[in-house]
Amino acid sequence: ELKVEQNPLFLSMQEGKNYTIYCNYSTTSDRLYWYRQDPGKSLESLFVLLSNGAVKQEGRLMASLDTKARLSTLHITAAVHDLSATYFCAVANYGGSQGNLIFGKGTKLSVKP
Amino acid sequence: DTEVTQTPKHLVMGMTNKKSLKCEQHMGHRAMYWYKQKAKKPPELMFVYSYEKLSINESVPSRFSPECPNSSLLNLHLHALQPEDSALYLCASSLLSGGTEAFFGQGTRLTVV
Repeated sequence: ELKVEQNPLFLSMQEGKNYTIYCNYSTTSDRLYWYRQDPGKSLESLFVLLSNGAVKQEGRLMASLDTKARLSTLHITAAVHDLSATYFCAVANYGGSQGNLIFGKGTKLSVKP
Repeated sequence: DTEVTQTPKHLVMGMTNKKSLKCEQHMGHRAMYWYKQKAKKPPELMFVYSYEKLSINESVPSRFSPECPNSSLLNLHLHALQPEDSALYLCASSLLSGGTEAFFGQGTRLTVV
């Protein structure tokens, strides 16, 4: 059974600082997704990582995937208040049922001035 | 068109009511999903439709009844719900069900009174 662990679950940052969110998963998978969710809103797709060593960047966010270590990171550079949200990683599950996404518990990010 | 459209956005229903949630996509995706999300939790998969056939039912109570009339539409029929069923219900679609990127609708905020 595929398990996905995110840490930290809560992150309070000051504006201008850097930090990394980690997403570990327990069994082999080669697709990983990062989503952002604002309070009361739906999930917005941020990054699609489809192979070992994949790195994607958008603004102050950069995501990477190491399938051998079963680890993805979401790095935040020079945080700004607008990045405050909950971030979920989701791993493609090929075992058992016809494939679906297994979500981590989410990281609630709060960026303070 | 890269949208998944859900209606209604908000729904308040009594425990004896029957209501339906609707979801529509025109991206040619052949997999559609219903997720339930409680506050401060990740989305929980409820149902997966692949090529208009129900392929996954994650042990959801029968008071939730999904329907996929065609490749663009997905409904969730609700009957005799309980207050603990109050949550954000998210519809998503993906090209195929094999762990491909999922696009989420805006969700229906359901309150059962």
